Amino acid sequence: GENVEQHPSTLSVQEGDSAVIKCTYSDSASNYFPWYKQELGKRPQLIIDIRSNVGEKKDQRIAVTLNKTAKHFSLHITETQPEDSAVYFCAASKYGAAGNKLTFGGGTRVLVKP
Amino acid sequence: DVKVTQSSRYLVKRTGEKVFLECVQDMDHENMFWYRQDPGLGLRLIYFSYDVKMKEKGDIPEGYSVSREKKERFSLILESASTNQTSMYLCAAGLAGGPGNNEQFFGPGTRLTVL
Repeated sequence: GENVEQHPSTLSVQEGDSAVIKCTYSDSASNYFPWYKQELGKRPQLIIDIRSNVGEKKDQRIAVTLNKTAKHFSLHITETQPEDSAVYFCAASKYGAAGNKLTFGGGTRVLVKP
Repeated sequence: DVKVTQSSRYLVKRTGEKVFLECVQDMDHENMFWYRQDPGLGLRLIYFSYDVKMKEKGDIPEGYSVSREKKERFSLILESASTNQTSMYLCAAGLAGGPGNNEQFFGPGTRLTVL
């Protein structure tokens, strides 16, 4: 089955700096890669996703890049703000398969220091 | 907005008890999921269901079972609770396949403590 590894497990950045989180996956058939953000005490919520036919996707201050050959994808947050402090999870799946099940990475706790 | 609710936010049970965790979604989504969340391990899939009465094992099904008698309700059952099942349990719902329909909507979670 799919295995997703996520690094680093914790990340501390100064407000205004950039943050980068990296994930690798094992199943070359995976074709959908979402990122979820979980604020303290709250439920995970989708913030951005990318499909395997796209190399990069951007939404305001967040962007995701995908390297299918190397089987890794990354989340980039620019101009970090205190509200970016949260746990971020990457995931991989094969969309269209029964259930659309996701395999998640271990999570990255991001702390933005003012 | 899909609303996913879980029956309890906090639950304390004793070893050997049978435990039921209930999840209800209000947007007619085909797929429902149960995860457990532990620090450093991310979200691990226990079971999922893509239709009424259908269920599939996830990555860590041992010690758990599920029931989906109605489309909107997905129950997680711990047949005989053990201390290593102390965790945060998250339910999620999502639409059936196809591009643009892959988002999973999560419930608030149930923090289960087994003594």
